[in-house]
Amino acid sequence: DAGVTQSPTHLIKTRGQQVTLRCSPKSGHDTVSWYQQALGQGPQFIFQYYEEEERQRGNFPDRFSGHQFPNYSSELNVNALLLGDSALYLCASSLQANQPQHFGDGTRLSIL
Amino acid sequence: GDSVTQMEGPVTLSEEAFLTINCTYTATGYPSLFWYVQYPGEGLQLLLKATKADDKGSNKGFEATYRKETTSFHLEKGSVQVSDSAVYFCALSFAGGTSYGKLTFGQGTILTVHP
Repeated sequence: DAGVTQSPTHLIKTRGQQVTLRCSPKSGHDTVSWYQQALGQGPQFIFQYYEEEERQRGNFPDRFSGHQFPNYSSELNVNALLLGDSALYLCASSLQANQPQHFGDGTRLSIL
Repeated sequence: GDSVTQMEGPVTLSEEAFLTINCTYTATGYPSLFWYVQYPGEGLQLLLKATKADDKGSNKGFEATYRKETTSFHLEKGSVQVSDSAVYFCALSFAGGTSYGKLTFGQGTILTVHP
């Protein structure tokens, strides 16, 4: 039973570029959440998707957007990248929002 | 808003020592509480959870008790092993309301166990 998978593992971009990160949830899970983890910090909630709609959003600017597909997989898009966007981006899935979340290994995004 | 505060780290222990990592929270209402562990280069793994006051979560020798009166959820283990070296995160979430399903994390505590 595959867990949460994220791609790519690492990514290097320059300021002003755009990036798309991908996530496949654990089999049977229908809810996907995204978190940003800066170095030495705890993860910060970006948003959550359920039934292809954004249900919850954290305190992140509109440069951060997402999508959920009918097969429950999800994408995180970040436009106009800033140096401060350098972080580990974690995807988590659950069967409904109030169940424990299972995390992927993350995508390490570096902005030069 | 909701927040979680963990004890300052890092924590360095010898193998078989007793471990306590303190966690307190601020929240409106009664959240569920979690401990997650992150090994180097990996994502977070759920270690244990508690959903209501006085519940005790336990797993792999780790324990934590949900204390509503002190708004705390301290992590303990009686005898740590080198393999327990990792970063530990305390977190909360709500089963309903405007923060439904959103995890709020503490800043993490680095644990290093020496042989």
